[in-house]
Amino acid sequence: AQSVTQLGSHVSVSEGALVLLRCNYSSSVPPYLFWYVQYPNQGLQLLLKYTSAATLVKGINGFEAEFKKSETSFHLTKPSAHMSDAAEYFCAVTLLFNKFYFGSGTKLNVKP
Amino acid sequence: DAGVTQSPTHLIKTRGQQVTLRCSPKSGHDTVSWYQQALGQGPQFIFQYYEEEERQRGNFPDRFSGHQFPNYSSELNVNALLLGDSALYLCASSSGRLGTSTDTQYFGPGTRLTVL
Repeated sequence: AQSVTQLGSHVSVSEGALVLLRCNYSSSVPPYLFWYVQYPNQGLQLLLKYTSAATLVKGINGFEAEFKKSETSFHLTKPSAHMSDAAEYFCAVTLLFNKFYFGSGTKLNVKP
Repeated sequence: DAGVTQSPTHLIKTRGQQVTLRCSPKSGHDTVSWYQQALGQGPQFIFQYYEEEERQRGNFPDRFSGHQFPNYSSELNVNALLLGDSALYLCASSSGRLGTSTDTQYFGPGTRLTVL
């Protein structure tokens, strides 16, 4: 079975600073990996996905993530945080797109 | 193009009651998945429907059941509600083909269920 661990339930950065949200996965075979963002009282919006093509994946709103098989990681980064990035971020994993496993989420706070 | 829609937005029930939540998938999608997101937690997979059949199920009791209609819309039914069923219920739609890079899930805004 697959699983996802997100280190740090809360991350706080200053506006303009680097954003780094951590995600490690467990899977017997290379999975497909996703990052979603959730704003208060809303559903989940896809930021980016890794589907075994390029290991560095670029998403919306300036976010990107790098798949590192040796570290079983898929960390999310953004060079410069914006106030509008404040939200909760979820990492998810699947093998066959018929069952997705989500991490427990990381709340990002952006300080002015 | 309408995205995934869910109804109702909010719902309050009492213990022991039954509830039905509804989901209409994004245009062109034929697969619907349901998730339960408890407060402060990530979404937990309940089940997935494709071609009107349950294709995959997570670790949820039989009190949770579903249905998919010929137009691909779906219902989630929960019987004998418990306080612990209080959560945001999310519906996600995708295409039915497995293992292709186009199989992105699109989520609806969710239904907030409160059990008193």
